[in-house]
Amino acid sequence: NAGVTQTPKFRILKIGQSMTLQCTQDMNHNYMYWYRQDPGMGLKLIYYSVGAGITDKGEVPNGYNVSRSTTEDFPLRLELAAPSQTSVYFCASSYSNRRDGYTFGSGTRLTVV
Amino acid sequence: AQKITQTQPGMFVQEKEAVTLDCTYDTSDPSYGLFWYKQPSSGEMIFLIYQGSYDQQNATEGRYSLNFQKARKSANLVISASQLGDSAMYFCAMREWSNSGNTPLVFGKGTRLSVIA
Repeated sequence: NAGVTQTPKFRILKIGQSMTLQCTQDMNHNYMYWYRQDPGMGLKLIYYSVGAGITDKGEVPNGYNVSRSTTEDFPLRLELAAPSQTSVYFCASSYSNRRDGYTFGSGTRLTVV
Repeated sequence: AQKITQTQPGMFVQEKEAVTLDCTYDTSDPSYGLFWYKQPSSGEMIFLIYQGSYDQQNATEGRYSLNFQKARKSANLVISASQLGDSAMYFCAMREWSNSGNTPLVFGKGTRLSVIA
């Protein structure tokens, strides 16, 4: 049982480039989330989805886009990368009414130079 | 407005001693859940313990317990018999339950715990 799988684990982008962070879960969770974690800080919500075809903005959505065409996949798209997007990105998933919180992926460390 | 406040950027504790990590929260929703996560230096997020707003008892999971004081809106994590492997960042988080579903987790800024031999 793989849980939440994020790829890639590390990436260096040049300013203005674009990329997609992949996230796949195999637990049939209906909720999925993208967070970013800046150095020494907590996690801030970028986007989330309550089911296939439904997405909503979080606290820091600017510069990002998401889609949720299947229950399993929730990719995060960065368009025109900026140094301010240098961060560690976490994907997570959950059931809608579970007490055991989220299952997190292992994270993607992104550096924009 | 910040919903989760962790006022201790860093804490030190002697091995085998107990330590309390503070967390206060702000919500007007009567139904909510409080979570603690551990993030070791390797970076993964590890779920530790959960407390529901209607739970009558304080949550416990092994060496972890949650000192839940609802009227004070605090949910402090207590780690008993600290071990060197407890050295990590600890995050408090909250999720509100509404009729239309559940809000995403909101995280505090974290507390870095260092266990000293």
